[in-house]
Amino acid sequence: NAGVTQTPKFRILKIGQSMTLQCTQDMNHNYMYWYRQDPGMGLKLIYYSVGAGITDKGEVPNGYNVSRSTTEDFPLRLELAAPSQTSVYFCASSYGSSNEKLFFGSGTQLSVL
Amino acid sequence: AQSVTQPDIHITVSEGASLELRCNYSYGATPYLFWYVQSPGQGLQLLLKYFSGDTLVQGIKGFEAEFKRSQSSFNLRKPSVHWSDAAEYFCAVGARDDMRFGAGTRLTVKP
Repeated sequence: NAGVTQTPKFRILKIGQSMTLQCTQDMNHNYMYWYRQDPGMGLKLIYYSVGAGITDKGEVPNGYNVSRSTTEDFPLRLELAAPSQTSVYFCASSYGSSNEKLFFGSGTQLSVL
Repeated sequence: AQSVTQPDIHITVSEGASLELRCNYSYGATPYLFWYVQSPGQGLQLLLKYFSGDTLVQGIKGFEAEFKRSQSSFNLRKPSVHWSDAAEYFCAVGARDDMRFGAGTRLTVKP
């Protein structure tokens, strides 16, 4: 049982480039999330999805886009990368109940130079 | 809006000593409260959670936490720390898309 899988683990982008961070889960979870983690800060929610075809903005969505065509996959797209998007990105999933724990992927370290 | 404060950025304890990590929250209703642990290069893993009932909750790896409504706190404790407990610990409040995480407390364990 793989859980939540993120790729790539590391990436360096030049300013203005674009890329997609991949996330897939094999637990048939309804909810999926993208967070970013900056040094000395807690995780901030970028986007989330409550099911296939449904996405919504979180706390810090600017500069990102998402899609949810299947239950399993929830890619995060960065368009026109900026240095402010240098961060560690975590994908997470949960079944959906309010007290359900989040299952996290191992993260993507992204640097924009 | 809800928020979480972890007052201690970094704590160092000796192996075998007791541990308490502090967490204070602000939330409008009865909160769902969580503690997660993050080992280097890994995602976060749930240690324990509270949403109702007994205010002292037990988690994995020998951790426990106590919910104190009057103090808006949810402190994490362990009676005897092991070297493998060295990690970053995050307190979180809320649920689903309304989850807020503290800035984390980094735990160093001295031999």
